[in-house]
Amino acid sequence: QVQLVQSGAEVKKPGASVKVSCKASGYTFTRYAISWVRQAPGQGLEWMGWISVYNGNTNHAQKFQGRVTMTTDTSTSTAYMELRSLRFDDTAVYYCAREVDIARLDYWGQGMVVTVSS
Amino acid sequence: QSVLTQPPSASGTPGQRVTISCSGSSSNIGSKTVKWYQQFPGTAPKLLIYSNNQRPSGVPDRFSGSKSGTSASLAINGLHSEDEADYYCATWDDSLNGVVFGGGTKLTVL
Repeated sequence: QVQLVQSGAEVKKPGASVKVSCKASGYTFTRYAISWVRQAPGQGLEWMGWISVYNGNTNHAQKFQGRVTMTTDTSTSTAYMELRSLRFDDTAVYYCAREVDIARLDYWGQGMVVTVSS
Repeated sequence: QSVLTQPPSASGTPGQRVTISCSGSSSNIGSKTVKWYQQFPGTAPKLLIYSNNQRPSGVPDRFSGSKSGTSASLAINGLHSEDEADYYCATWDDSLNGVVFGGGTKLTVL
């Protein structure tokens, strides 16, 4: 069965970086893109961007340009999202999801809590 | 301020029909297909509807989606207590060149 398993919670200081991992199993990793979505406490869903696992092409939401890097390692079927220069308002649950087509995210990771605190 | 506008809350009693609206513009809903997600507290969202009105395998046919012009709707027939959750619409936006979500609607089953 399709599974996306994310790394555990992290606490970071403002200005630091966090790298979230998302290990896929149960399907051919290169056939689908991976999207990243975050959700701040008590808030709605926010799309961060996606990466084509097939060719490495990425597309990020404008607000994260210059601060986010999305990569994949096809040898381990793992996707990564690194967010730099963390701010307090980056505190959120970060989800990876398999993208069947645009905005159609059919399998999701369990989410990773990132807390930015001094 | 979300690009797609949803009512913050909706409610109904068991067995009722409830609809949740999602309003956008020509750069998103007006030209792209709409998806709907269901999310329970503390869990990841679940795809409920794609391509405006298609249900993934396993989603009860009580859930249906529709689109007209720059608006979309999610309807839930025969409301169950376990339908109490947050619901989000989503689509692509050509102006922003990215995926946009609605602000979410919290459905309460009275």
